Amino acid sequence: DTGVSQNPRHKITKRGQNVTFRCDPISEHNRLYWYRQTLGQGPEFLTYFQNEAQLEKSRLLSDRFSAERPKGSFSTLEIQRTEQGDSAMYLCASSKRGDYEQYFGPGTRLTVT
Amino acid sequence: DAKTTQPTSMDCAEGRAANLPCNHSTISGNEYVYWYRQIHSQGPQYIIHGLKNNETNEMASLIITEDRKSSTLILPHATLRDTAVYYCIVIRNTGNQFYFGTGTSLTVIP
Repeated sequence: DTGVSQNPRHKITKRGQNVTFRCDPISEHNRLYWYRQTLGQGPEFLTYFQNEAQLEKSRLLSDRFSAERPKGSFSTLEIQRTEQGDSAMYLCASSKRGDYEQYFGPGTRLTVT
Repeated sequence: DAKTTQPTSMDCAEGRAANLPCNHSTISGNEYVYWYRQIHSQGPQYIIHGLKNNETNEMASLIITEDRKSSTLILPHATLRDTAVYYCIVIRNTGNQFYFGTGTSLTVIP
């Protein structure tokens, strides 16, 4: 069990640029989640995958955000035309079938200048 | 999923028990209580969860009242490394989204 990994750990980008983050879940976990966390707030749910199917999306996930999990293993979260309000920590978590305990990665901190 | 209410912050002396309360008065019968904590700049870490019975593991104990409207997380011998934000989450057994709220910021004082 190597844990959930996320890359990059930090990303600084200019407003209007596109960014992509990667999450590698724990290998036997079929469920994968993305959250966003801003300063002083708890994580907020963005979206959830079961295997390669994206089953739930929050209304926080605007049209500029897209998430994929093409082979049911790693996942990517892309933000197009970044805005300063997108600056946040983006957290990924995974869990296995029948178990609702989610294991979180260290997060990717995005700063939009 | 039921909403939870937690105090914004608490202090605890090192070596003493830390008791963190959570109110979840609208909890329904199939909803579990989960506790996570988040140490500064890290991802949240699972602590414990329960349905209606008290639970204990190597990290903590969870006491759920008989009417299930509130619970208490107990860290039996707090250390400086327990300083973190603690989140109480209520979720259906078929739910996938965790609603974290703002949690309780616990500071363990030497």
